Amino acid sequence: DIQMTQSPSTLSASVGDRVTISCRASQSISSWLAWYQQEPGKAPKLLIYKASSLESGVPSRFSGSGSGTEFTLTISSLQPDDFATYYCQQYNSYSPLTFGGGTKVEIK
Amino acid sequence: QVHLVQSGAEVKKPGASMKVSCKVSGNTLSELSMHWVRQAPGKGLEWMGSFDPEDGEEGETIYAQKFQGRVTMTEDTSTDTAYMELSSLRSEDTAVYYCATGSLGYFHYWGQGTLVTVSS
Repeated sequence: DIQMTQSPSTLSASVGDRVTISCRASQSISSWLAWYQQEPGKAPKLLIYKASSLESGVPSRFSGSGSGTEFTLTISSLQPDDFATYYCQQYNSYSPLTFGGGTKVEIK
Repeated sequence: QVHLVQSGAEVKKPGASMKVSCKVSGNTLSELSMHWVRQAPGKGLEWMGSFDPEDGEEGETIYAQKFQGRVTMTEDTSTDTAYMELSSLRSEDTAVYYCATGSLGYFHYWGQGTLVTVSS
């Protein structure tokens, strides 16, 4: 299995802050990485696919970068709606598809 | 715009089976690759498997090894409804179960989730 490790697990930030979340794969996954946002009690929402492609309708303050084993999700200026949990997911291999453990972005 | 609507919450006893449905609108099920993902209370997301349509009547299922032998994913294209059945339930299977669809193994669209509680 390809293990996905996110850091930090929790992040405290204020509105307007620039936020960076890291995701590391246990082996190279090229650019086959997606990022999701999940609010409490709701289904995840796709933000980024293919490491850096912004899903339609997602604000441009979200961006993704990286390839191989190291990836980053950046929120350029944190907004009140952005306090949520974020997950990365690799889709290089279906054996199995795997998610990171999540990063909870909290209000500082 | 694809819309996925799942069946309601269930309570099951250990050893029983569960079957969650996921009805598709906005597209036909035969055009979609349907996946199932679960999330235990307070935990992260876990992929269970997928059902891919193929030419002809038979689709292809891919199950995570962890669930092999306990999970069955099926589809009824006449009603555009996907199903996920999990047998031999134990307390650790208590989770919200999501159906989700996407073209390459990531998920554009998600159902609202179905809470299944396994308790004696």
